[in-house]
Amino acid sequence: KAGVTQTPRYLIKTRGQQVTLSCSPISGHRSVSWYQQTPGQGLQFLFEYFSETQRNKGNFPGRFSGRQFSNSRSEMNVSTLELGDSALYLCASSRRDRAGTDTQYFGPGTRLTVL
Amino acid sequence: GQQLNQSPQSMFIQEGEDVSMNCTSSSIFNTWLWYKQDPGEGPVLLIALYKAGELTSNGRLTAQFGITRKDSFLNISASIPSDVGIYFCAGVPSYGGATNKLIFGTGTLLAVQP
Repeated sequence: KAGVTQTPRYLIKTRGQQVTLSCSPISGHRSVSWYQQTPGQGLQFLFEYFSETQRNKGNFPGRFSGRQFSNSRSEMNVSTLELGDSALYLCASSRRDRAGTDTQYFGPGTRLTVL
Repeated sequence: GQQLNQSPQSMFIQEGEDVSMNCTSSSIFNTWLWYKQDPGEGPVLLIALYKAGELTSNGRLTAQFGITRKDSFLNISASIPSDVGIYFCAGVPSYGGATNKLIFGTGTLLAVQP
């Protein structure tokens, strides 16, 4: 079974631009979560989508947004990029199993550099 | 942002040695997970724990969900060079309702000398 895929793997943008990152979850997984990883703050939760609805949101400004499509694929968008947005953006997908538990599996990430 | 207390921050060991790391929180967690991350890659799931007191093994790795639900530890036995990487604990807090929001630890950098 294919794992979580993210595109693009690397991205360079300049301040003020906007960017869209894509995530394809593991087949059958309906929950997709996004995380930001930086050396200073570590791994921080951005938001989670389930069945095309945002189920939870982390403490990030409104410049960070996301959406989920009917096939569970998800995109996240960052508008008006700032230097501090440079980070590894990770997507994780999960599916509730028969025991009622969810386990998140991560993609390889998109490395965003803002100049 | 919120992070779990993970220790030690780094470990430099000889091949064949055993390793132990742990995570603690002031809040109760429903799930504890342990991941390993290589440079430039996403975290790879090692072990998942769902019940207080649960002890689970995956090859040379053993992890436990603390009885208080506020901590977890990971042991690696007979370390090998490919164990090198950053290990993260992560948990799903009991507050917050139906969510998969993970709170991550600060990470443990493991270096293994052959």
